[in-house]
Amino acid sequence: NAGVTQTPKFRILKIGQSMTLQCTQDMNHNYMYWYRQDPGMGLKLIYYSVGAGITDKGEVPNGYNVSRSTTEDFPLRLELAAPSQTSVYFCASSPPGPPGYTFGSGTRLTVV
Amino acid sequence: AQKVTQAQTEISVVEKEDVTLDCVYETRDTTYYLFWYKQPPSGELVFLIRRNSFDEQNEISGRYSWNFQKSTSSFNFTITASQVVDSAVYFCALSEAQDSGTYKYIFGTGTRLKVLA
Repeated sequence: NAGVTQTPKFRILKIGQSMTLQCTQDMNHNYMYWYRQDPGMGLKLIYYSVGAGITDKGEVPNGYNVSRSTTEDFPLRLELAAPSQTSVYFCASSPPGPPGYTFGSGTRLTVV
Repeated sequence: AQKVTQAQTEISVVEKEDVTLDCVYETRDTTYYLFWYKQPPSGELVFLIRRNSFDEQNEISGRYSWNFQKSTSSFNFTITASQVVDSAVYFCALSEAQDSGTYKYIFGTGTRLKVLA
């Protein structure tokens, strides 16, 4: 049981480039989330999804896009990368009901 | 507004000392959940405990214990006889149900614990 899998683990982007952070879960969880963790800070919610085809903005959505075409996958797209997007990105999933996140291992992104 | 405050940015202790990590939260809801996560140097988030707002019973798990006090809106975490392997950043988080049915987490800024040999 892999849980939540994020790829890549590390990435360096140049300003203005774009990329997609992949997130896959094999627990058939309805809910999925993307968080970012800036140095010395807690996690902030970027986007979340309550099921295939349904997504919504979190606290810090600017500069990002998401899609949810399947229950398993919840990719995060960065268009026109900026230094302010240098962060560690965590994907998480949970079933309905009282919270119980399963986090991925994170993607460390540096924009230079 | 919901908020989680971890006032201790960094704590250093010598191995075998006891250490308490503080967490104070703000919420208007009567139903909510509190969490502690450990983030070791490898970077992953490790779940430690979940507590719902109706259960104020303190909990002990090995060297770890948690003190939940609704009267002071605090959910403090104590490590007894600390070990070098306890060195990590510890996050306290608050979670409440949203209209969408999801649960949004509000994280504190974390406390970095350094246990010195």
